[in-house]
Amino acid sequence: EVQLVQSGGGLVQPGRSLRLSCTTSGFTFGDYAMSWFRQAPGKGLEWIAFIRGKAYDGTTEYAASVKGRFTISRDDSKSIAYLQMNSLIIEDTAVYFCTRVLHGSLGEADHWAQGTLVAVSS
Amino acid sequence: DIQMTQSPSSVSASVGDRVTITCRASQGISSWLAWYQQKPGKVPKLLIFAASNLQSGVPSRFSGSGSGTDFTLTISSLQPEDFATYYCQQAHRFPLTFGGGTTVEIK
Repeated sequence: EVQLVQSGGGLVQPGRSLRLSCTTSGFTFGDYAMSWFRQAPGKGLEWIAFIRGKAYDGTTEYAASVKGRFTISRDDSKSIAYLQMNSLIIEDTAVYFCTRVLHGSLGEADHWAQGTLVAVSS
Repeated sequence: DIQMTQSPSSVSASVGDRVTITCRASQGISSWLAWYQQKPGKVPKLLIFAASNLQSGVPSRFSGSGSGTDFTLTISSLQPEDFATYYCQQAHRFPLTFGGGTTVEIK
């Protein structure tokens, strides 16, 4: 059974950093791309970061809203994806979701982790 | 960026009704379109990928169609568990973008 379990998140002050982890099991992690999405309170879904699998050297893509501040990475030996969030701003307040990307797709997410609330506030 | 426009933003329907939601892309995206269902406080669930392919485990009353710029999600006979918000997402090009969502409410 495919499982994705997030950890990290919580309340953080503006300008500070936070790292989210997404521990996976039930599939060959290195063969899949992973993506992070977020959802601000009462709002719709927003894609923020993508990392390709090992066949594509783990190259990355970012939304303009987080580029230069957030870094997506992966540890294929541990089957974990990460989202390092630096220079956090109020507008980054949202529930963050780690997802597995459907094989052969850029961004259709077939499995989602439970989500983690990141609240940026002074 | 590719803009995704969903309509309607909300629809009131009864159990057994046929419901159709449309999604229009600001430029052609071939068939790189997904539909998700999200219930309040829950994680989004992939329903349809590549515009018309039913994700494993999703009931056959859900169907998707379209290509290029115009797409449709149809629920053939609405069930009580289908009351939720539905989002389309293009997976043709980065940045990946979503429609604004359609909330299916009980009439």
